[in-house]
Order: sequence, then structure tokens, then C-alpha cells
Amino acid sequence: NAGVTQTPKFRILKIGQSMTLQCTQDMNHNYMYWYRQDPGMGLKLIYYSVGAGITDKGEVPNGYNVSRSTTEDFPLRLELAAPSQTSVYFCASHQGGNEKLFFGSGTQLSVL
Amino acid sequence: QKEVEQDPGPLSVPEGAIVSLNCTYSNSAFQYFMWYRQYSRKGPELLMYTYSSGNKEDGRFTAQVDKSSKYISLFIRDSQPSDSATYLCAMTTYNQGGKLIFGQGTELSVKP
Repeated sequence: NAGVTQTPKFRILKIGQSMTLQCTQDMNHNYMYWYRQDPGMGLKLIYYSVGAGITDKGEVPNGYNVSRSTTEDFPLRLELAAPSQTSVYFCASHQGGNEKLFFGSGTQLSVL
Repeated sequence: QKEVEQDPGPLSVPEGAIVSLNCTYSNSAFQYFMWYRQYSRKGPELLMYTYSSGNKEDGRFTAQVDKSSKYISLFIRDSQPSDSATYLCAMTTYNQGGKLIFGQGTELSVKP
């Protein structure tokens, strides 16, 4: 099994551009999450989903959108990129309850 | 005041040393406590998982939770260069699953 796969690994955007960070998992997990990690700040939850068609905001959702049309995929959309969105983005999934959270390897995004 | 505080380090120790990593928190509702290990340019991976107060041991790693003091610790015995990584504490309340609150992470370097 591949686990949680994120693409791209690196990306540079200009201010105002848009892009979609892709995340897919092959473990049939219902729960999926997007976190961002800034230097010295730990990880902060952006959005999460408890199943296909259901999404909700986390701690820092402003400037982002998500969709969950299938169990496997949970893309994160940046509509108008800003320098404050320069960060490393991690997608994660788990089966439910308080089960182990599996993380992808991350997307490093720079907005210049 | 941040919900979870963790000394960011960096922490440098010689091979074979005992390492102590700590986090304090303010939310008394936290019941599930985790330690994640993150190698450079990789996603976090779950190292230890503890429910409520007490100790948990797994090989060279011991996790302790003191809910009365709102304090958690991770001890690494006989540290190895392969333990060099960033260690993140994380915690959550009942039935919040993957909606974790992370500490800032402590960067550990174990010198041969």
C-alpha cells in the first residue's frame, strides 16, 4: 500500500495565482485532514473531512477550500495565493475514533 | 497563552545519552496524548500514544502523562544517531480523532 500520497512535493507560486494540492489515500479511511506546518509553530489544522461529501473548517481555514467527492481524494485549493500561505502542507488520514493518524510526505509551497 | 507549549530546542546530545522531551498544556479536557517523530522533509509518524495519565514503554521510548500538572514527557534511552529528528507532542479530546493540537516541535541531534 502507498498510504497517503501528496502531489506536488514542491511548488513556487506568484501572489494571486491559484493551485490545488492533491492528496489521495488507499487505506479506505473515512477521515482526512489538511495541516500546515510553519517553522517553530507546529502543525495547524486547515480543513478536515469525516467522509465523502462532508467537510469542515479547522483552526486556520481562511484562504483555502476543500472538496471530498470520493473516499480516496481530498484536494486543497488555494484561490488567491498570498505570502502568508508559504508553508509545508501535510495531508493525513485515519480510520476513525482515536486511531493512528497517517501523514503524507508533504508539499512545500512558496508564494513570492 | 498557547494551548500546547514545547521547547523548540535545538537539543544536541552524545550517542547513548538519555533524552527528555517535554510539553505542557492548558486544556484540562485533553485525554489523548501522542508523540510524533518527523525526519527532515518527511511527514510526522506516530511514535507513542497514551490515553489519560500514566506511563507507556516501547523499547527505548517511554511516554509519561501527568494530567494533574498538565505535563507530558518522552524519554529516549540509549539514544542513537538515527533518533536525530524533530519530535512533536500532540493531544486531543474525546472523539476528536485526528483533530490534533500540536506543540512547536523539538529538534534533536544525537552525535556519534
